[in-house]
Amino acid sequence: GQQVMQIPQYQHVQEGEDFTTYCNSSTTLSNIQWYKQRPGGHPVFLIQLVKSGEVKKQKRLTFQFGEAKKNSSLHITATQTTDVGTYFCAGLRAGSYQLTFGKGTKLSVIP
Amino acid sequence: SAVISQKPSRDICQRGTSLTIQCQVDSQVTMMFWYRQQPGQSLTLIATANQGSEATYESGFVIDKFPISRPNLTFSTLTVSNMSPEDSSIYLCSTQEAYGYTFGSGTRLTVV
Repeated sequence: GQQVMQIPQYQHVQEGEDFTTYCNSSTTLSNIQWYKQRPGGHPVFLIQLVKSGEVKKQKRLTFQFGEAKKNSSLHITATQTTDVGTYFCAGLRAGSYQLTFGKGTKLSVIP
Repeated sequence: SAVISQKPSRDICQRGTSLTIQCQVDSQVTMMFWYRQQPGQSLTLIATANQGSEATYESGFVIDKFPISRPNLTFSTLTVSNMSPEDSSIYLCSTQEAYGYTFGSGTRLTVV
């Protein structure tokens, strides 16, 4: 079945440093989505990438979708303590409605 | 986007008993999804619930253990039956939106 691998599993950064998490799918995706889950919270949708090579920005967050539509990354510039949480990528195959989640990257920001 | 009210938010249950989790959506949705999230882990899809038809279960999950109801387009329940400590987890419902999926706030279940 489809697998979505995400690295790293944990990342500790000093406040102000950058952060990147990477996602790789075993199959070509229709789209990839990113979610943030705060400690004790539920996953909250951040963004969806659909097009090959697509790049989207949300303030300090930059999301990329690979040319082959099998990999993606989330980059946070100048992290803040409010960025703390676990970031999940989730892939959707063409013709499917079922998301396959990566294992997530837990981000800790040291003030 | 849709707003999902999920309850209970948490419960502590005795082994061998059952717990029913409810999700109410503030708009009509075709599909609802039920996930399990072990502490510190990723989300695993339990089943997909369509209104008017039997839920579709993922590998490793069976209807006798996790019966699901979907009586209308705004409501669904998941029952965790004959619970054991291994069922201790967070259970989340979700709906598909035009962009992304919306999740309920989750039910943190502890089985003792």
